[in-house]
Amino acid sequence: DAKTTQPPSMDCAEGRAANLPCNHSTISGNEYVYWYRQIHSQGPQYIIHGLKNNETNEMASLIITEDRKSSTLILPHATLRDTAVYYCIVRVTGNQFYFGTGTSLTVIP
Amino acid sequence: KAGVTQTPRYLIKTRGQQVTLSCSPISGHRSVSWYQQTPGQGLQFLFEYFSETQRNKGNFPGRFSGRQFSNSRSEMNVSTLELGDSALYLCASSSEIYDREVYGYTFGSGTRLTVV
Repeated sequence: DAKTTQPPSMDCAEGRAANLPCNHSTISGNEYVYWYRQIHSQGPQYIIHGLKNNETNEMASLIITEDRKSSTLILPHATLRDTAVYYCIVRVTGNQFYFGTGTSLTVIP
Repeated sequence: KAGVTQTPRYLIKTRGQQVTLSCSPISGHRSVSWYQQTPGQGLQFLFEYFSETQRNKGNFPGRFSGRQFSNSRSEMNVSTLELGDSALYLCASSSEIYDREVYGYTFGSGTRLTVV
């Protein structure tokens, strides 16, 4: 099963870019990488996903390395409301998402 | 459109009892998944239903079961509750394969179950 490894916690100054890394060295060729975040025990919220090309939407950018063994989620201008636990996810067998432990991001004023 | 609705939001049960949690997916979504979240184990997949059939099951004991109705609403049941079943139970829904690849799942706010 493809699984992910993330640093347990990170800090970021408000207004600066937050770069959250993720390792997924066992990912299969057709498996997407998803990013979700969870704020204070609410349900996880979808952020972005990608297969092998870099992706950008209104929330974030996703940079995937050429060998697909790692990726970085970029929040270009972090705000206090971005404080959350960020999960890098690879879908394993069927539709099961393996969430891992996530990165607790704290945005500091 | 309305999001994923889970009821109840909070629940307190006694050890040994059983409990039923409900999930109403986004209209048109036929896939419903359930996850358990605890401080020690994080988010863990329970099972997934699609068109009233269980398609995938996680590594949980048989006390955890679920079902899906023809309108895609889903329920999960936990029998003979244990203290360790105290958790946030999350439901997520998705539509067809294409949407799942593009957007993943939409999660509800969860039901927080406390077993005393």
